[in-house]
Amino acid sequence: DVKVTQSSRYLVKRTGEKVFLECVQDMDHENMFWYRQDPGLGLRLIYFSYDVKMKEKGDIPEGYSVSREKKERFSLILESASTNQTSMYLCASSQPGSRNSPLHFGNGTRLTVT
Amino acid sequence: AQSVTQLGSHVSVSEGALVLLRCNYSSSVPPYLFWYVQYPNQGLQLLLKYTSAATLVKGINGFEAEFKKSETSFHLTKPSAHMRDAAEYFCAVRHNQAGTALIFGKGTTLSVSS
Repeated sequence: DVKVTQSSRYLVKRTGEKVFLECVQDMDHENMFWYRQDPGLGLRLIYFSYDVKMKEKGDIPEGYSVSREKKERFSLILESASTNQTSMYLCASSQPGSRNSPLHFGNGTRLTVT
Repeated sequence: AQSVTQLGSHVSVSEGALVLLRCNYSSSVPPYLFWYVQYPNQGLQLLLKYTSAATLVKGINGFEAEFKKSETSFHLTKPSAHMRDAAEYFCAVRHNQAGTALIFGKGTTLSVSS
């Protein structure tokens, strides 16, 4: 079974802090993704990565950046956290090559910015 | 632009009753469609996916979905609801501009009463 692990289940940060959300997958997947989940809005794609050191903007990248130094690890960075970034953040991975490859999700990190 | 619309943010059924969760999609290319379930405090788990091999797709936990191109729909059904089916359900379509990423609907919360 694919395992996607997000290092923190809950985080509380102050406005203006730099925040790192970490995600690790154990199935050698090349594709990794960060989504945020908000009530009534579903999941929205922030950034994704096809391979090490590669990154692409998703649908809502503003205020975020990412890092992928190793294949198994994909980090989401909030350069200066703001209260409107309070949300549930979900990391996912998938195999490339097939358009019907499913995404495998971690359990999420609930971030509160005060 | 691609989109997924889930009709009804909340659906309530009695235990043993039919479950019907509605999903309509908009896509300029043949779609790859998915249903995911999210239990409280967990990530998303794949229920089933449409791969064009058959219009009726069977998934886990007794769920199935039917792809209807003429109606641009991919509704999720289960003949008999169980209490353990109470969760949030998301319909998703493959993102055309982001590799294997998905575009998600806003979700439908299913409540099951005894």
